[in-house]
Amino acid sequence: EPEVTQTPSHQVTQMGQEVILRCVPISNHLYFYWYRQILGQKVEFLVSFYNNEISEKSEIFDDQFSVERPDGSNFTLKIRSTKLEDSAMYFCASKPPVETEAFFGQGTRLTVV
Amino acid sequence: GENVEQHPSTLSVQEGDSAVIKCTYSDSASNYFPWYKQELGKRPQLIIDIRSNVGEKKDQRIAVTLNKTAKHFSLHITETQPEDSAVYFCAAIYNNNDMRFGAGTRLTVKP
Repeated sequence: EPEVTQTPSHQVTQMGQEVILRCVPISNHLYFYWYRQILGQKVEFLVSFYNNEISEKSEIFDDQFSVERPDGSNFTLKIRSTKLEDSAMYFCASKPPVETEAFFGQGTRLTVV
Repeated sequence: GENVEQHPSTLSVQEGDSAVIKCTYSDSASNYFPWYKQELGKRPQLIIDIRSNVGEKKDQRIAVTLNKTAKHFSLHITETQPEDSAVYFCAAIYNNNDMRFGAGTRLTVKP
């Protein structure tokens, strides 16, 4: 069964460093998402991406964040200058162009030290 | 705005009892409302969903009801088992295809 894959599974970075989280969505899906989940808390929407552009972003998704679909398969989230409070699990998700569920990757645990 | 409210935040039941989790959504939600189960350290996974053309859907011990007038939908788990212990998230798809989650309910089923 196809699934969304994310790499790395765990990333430790120094405060102020840039990180890139990578995702490979399911191949026939057209909508792509990044969510953040601070330990023990809710799943928070960051950004959605469709037709090679951002379709919606939350207030969390400030100028430090960016997303890219550099080729036909990868979908990346970049954090330019990480802060301690960026430590969280980051989930990528993708969805086909119908009213149906989004499928989640296994997540990348980002730890900023 | 695009908002999903979920209650309660924690729920503890005895094995065999029922559990009910409730969510409300804002006006601009579209017609699709999924429920996800997240076990510790794992990704959220769909357990059941409902579309706005039906009022109830059932899958074995799990059921979801939708009240479009009141803009709320609920998850019902009957005959709970310890393996039902997890965090449950309701969600709504909004018109731009963005999925927004409720804050989650941590369900504990005591043996």
